[in-house]
Amino acid sequence: DAKTTQPNSMESNEEEPVHLPCNHSTISGTDYIHWYRQLPSQGPEYVIHGLTSNVNNRMASLAIAEDRKSSTLILHRATLRDAAVYYCILYNTDKLIFGTGTRLQVFP
Amino acid sequence: KAGVTQTPRYLIKTRGQQVTLSCSPISGHRSVSWYQQTPGQGLQFLFEYFSETQRNKGNFPGRFSGRQFSNSRSEMNVSTLELGDSALYLCASSNMPGPYEQYFGPGTRLTVT
Repeated sequence: DAKTTQPNSMESNEEEPVHLPCNHSTISGTDYIHWYRQLPSQGPEYVIHGLTSNVNNRMASLAIAEDRKSSTLILHRATLRDAAVYYCILYNTDKLIFGTGTRLQVFP
Repeated sequence: KAGVTQTPRYLIKTRGQQVTLSCSPISGHRSVSWYQQTPGQGLQFLFEYFSETQRNKGNFPGRFSGRQFSNSRSEMNVSTLELGDSALYLCASSNMPGPYEQYFGPGTRLTVT
């Protein structure tokens, strides 16, 4: 299964943009890049996904490198409610393979 | 729309017993996936059901099984419980199988003593 590599933790201040990186050097041409986040004591929550082009939605933006070996989730203005574990996942063979994720701390 | 619901939310069982967990997907969603989350192994895929058929299965022993009913509700069963089965069991639903967003329920916290 294709794997992703993310930093264990990151910190941000409220109102600042956050760039969460993800490396997926073994990605195949048909793998979609998904991002989910998990707030404390909750199930994971879908954030965004894409294949080749950059994607935007109301929650975040996803920037995908031209060679698709890496991607970045962008939270434009972090809030305290964005503190969570963020998972970068390659949708592979019809299932989500979760890695260890990045724990994002947001400070007031 | 109501979200994914899972029952029960908490469960305590003894080693050797069996357990059945239930998941009701979002109305209209026909694909249901199950995941196990533990501090040591993180989130691991168990299986996926679509139109009452198991489409995909993760690397878990045969003690873990599931099924889906015609109304898309799903159950998973774990037989001969072991201490290591203590975990948060999460159910997720999506409209169709494929690289689409999945909506997760709050999970069932299973403790095996």
